[in-house]
Amino acid sequence: NAGVTQTPKFRVLKTGQSMTLLCAQDMNHEYMYWYRQDPGMGLRLIHYSVGEGTTAKGEVPDGYNVSRLKKQNFLLGLESAAPSQTSVYFCASSYWGDYGYTFGSGTRLTVV
Amino acid sequence: ELKVEQNPLFLSMQEGKNYTIYCNYSTTSDRLYWYRQDPGKSLESLFVLLSNGAVKQEGRLMASLDTKARLSTLHITAAVHDLSATYFCAVDKETSGSRLTFGEGTQLTVNP
Repeated sequence: NAGVTQTPKFRVLKTGQSMTLLCAQDMNHEYMYWYRQDPGMGLRLIHYSVGEGTTAKGEVPDGYNVSRLKKQNFLLGLESAAPSQTSVYFCASSYWGDYGYTFGSGTRLTVV
Repeated sequence: ELKVEQNPLFLSMQEGKNYTIYCNYSTTSDRLYWYRQDPGKSLESLFVLLSNGAVKQEGRLMASLDTKARLSTLHITAAVHDLSATYFCAVDKETSGSRLTFGEGTQLTVNP
């Protein structure tokens, strides 16, 4: 039972490079989320999805895009990385009609 | 816009002492969560509080919820060093797609 798996765990990017973070869950959860965590600011929601093929903006969506082509996967893309996107990114999932969220182990991204 | 505020943001306490972390939220919410995060790790779920007056206890931690005051407390009894971590409260509303809004976090250090 893997839960929520994030890849990669660490990444260093140069300004202007692009990359995709992958989140995979094996719990058949409808809802999936991408958060970023910065010191002193808690976790802030970037984008989320309430089902396969759907996405919606969260609190801080600028500079990111997402896709949910398969129910079990939620991808977060950075088209042109900026130093302000240096952060720890967490993926989470939850089940509709239930409470409780399962978090991944995080991706530490540094943009230089 | 839903806002969640915690205080204090930093807490240094001696072993054996008691203390309380406060979590205020700005609008009606369905559920309140408490999480623990150790440095470099993901979030560990501590409590989920579902209704007014709810109280849950696990070891030296006790959480309570007052929905009328929009306030939750996390009380620490006879602190030990192992409780050193960052504690987050978060709220969600099922009608908003069940997405979590987090407080800034309280960094707790328990000194011998």
